[in-house]
Amino acid sequence: DTGVSQNPRHKITKRGQNVTFRCDPISEHNRLYWYRQTLGQGPEFLTYFQNEAQLEKSRLLSDRFSAERPKGSFSTLEIQRTEQGDSAMYLCAPGPPQGNEQFFGPGTRLTVL
Amino acid sequence: AQSVTQLGSHVSVSEGALVLLRCNYSSSVPPYLFWYVQYPNQGLQLLLKYTSAATLVKGINGFEAEFKKSETSFHLTKPSAHMSDAAEYFCAVSDLTNFGNEKLTFGTGTRLTIIP
Repeated sequence: DTGVSQNPRHKITKRGQNVTFRCDPISEHNRLYWYRQTLGQGPEFLTYFQNEAQLEKSRLLSDRFSAERPKGSFSTLEIQRTEQGDSAMYLCAPGPPQGNEQFFGPGTRLTVL
Repeated sequence: AQSVTQLGSHVSVSEGALVLLRCNYSSSVPPYLFWYVQYPNQGLQLLLKYTSAATLVKGINGFEAEFKKSETSFHLTKPSAHMSDAAEYFCAVSDLTNFGNEKLTFGTGTRLTIIP
């Protein structure tokens, strides 16, 4: 148990549809990260929150992606007008990675048809 | 920016044999290094971490890794492979984003297959 839940665990959608994922850390963490893992690759950094403030977005995060963390607890990641290239595992990781364990949630696997 | 190279995208070993998964990092200063394991359709589980306290790091499930600064390596080993070790393994290094925030940079992973 990593102390993080992600919902849904699997999502199949048609190209052009909007999808939203949710990440719920069990305990409070100032920081929360989203990573994306495509087939055959390691996870890649997408975005980072410090409390409710989204401090950074990587270039991987196009304008179709938006993330929120209201109240600094759970976080949502929305993808608008999905494309087949968005098919991936989306991983939530609360807490600091600096020298300490970075725990990851079980992920949401998105398949865009 | 840091980078991590995992040599061998697929490794097969016989049950009971030595497991060796290779990881090399690029850094001018000793970084924090991690090994994660991922089972099918699951998230990442931390196996072990190096944070400069000791060069030989022991982790869960009998795995260990040795930090070698002269070789910029952090290879993962296990003396005797078990069928349950079949999974994908990722090496990761602590890194900074373009704006100076901490993040992890991962290698491309090594899929470990155990032959009965």
